[in-house]
Amino acid sequence: KAGVTQTPRYLIKTRGQQVTLSCSPISGHRSVSWYQQTPGQGLQFLFEYFSETQRNKGNFPGRFSGRQFSNSRSEMNVSTLELGDSALYLCASSLYRGLMNTEAFFGQGTRLTVV
Amino acid sequence: AQTVTQSQPEMSVQEAETVTLSCTYDTSESDYYLFWYKQPPSRQMILVIRQEAYKQQNATENRFSVNFQKAAKSFSLKISDSQLGDAAMYFCAYRKGGSEKLVFGKGTKLTVNP
Repeated sequence: KAGVTQTPRYLIKTRGQQVTLSCSPISGHRSVSWYQQTPGQGLQFLFEYFSETQRNKGNFPGRFSGRQFSNSRSEMNVSTLELGDSALYLCASSLYRGLMNTEAFFGQGTRLTVV
Repeated sequence: AQTVTQSQPEMSVQEAETVTLSCTYDTSESDYYLFWYKQPPSRQMILVIRQEAYKQQNATENRFSVNFQKAAKSFSLKISDSQLGDAAMYFCAYRKGGSEKLVFGKGTKLTVNP
């Protein structure tokens, strides 16, 4: 069974540009969450999608957005990149059976560097 | 808002010995879950152990066990017979029941000395 796949693994962008990161969840998983990891702030929740709907959003500016497709694949977009957006972006998928919580499986992340 | 605190930025242990990593959390919810995740240099977050708040019995997974003190809102991880492969960042995490959002602590870097 394939794990959570994030592409690309590494990315270098210039300030002011925009970037799109992709996450393919484990087959059958319908919930996808995104996290930003930095040395200073640690791991912070960005947003969560289930059945193409954003169910929860973290405290990030509107430059950060996401979406989920009918096959559960998810993308996140960051517009007008700032140096502070340099981080490891992690995606996690889970089965999510209503109120029953299930384990979240993480991808290996996308390392974004803004120069 | 829920918070998770790991007071030990770094810990070290000798191979084959036991080490305990500390975690405290704050929540007003009654339905929640607690987790310990391991992040080796490869960056892949791996679930080590989970604890449901409604269960009084402490979770155990092979050499890993937790000490869950619900009233004190404490959730420590004990690693027995430490191995070189246990060296990693360890994150304590909280999740409210019915939500997929994880709230993480700042992490503890564990070094295992041969």
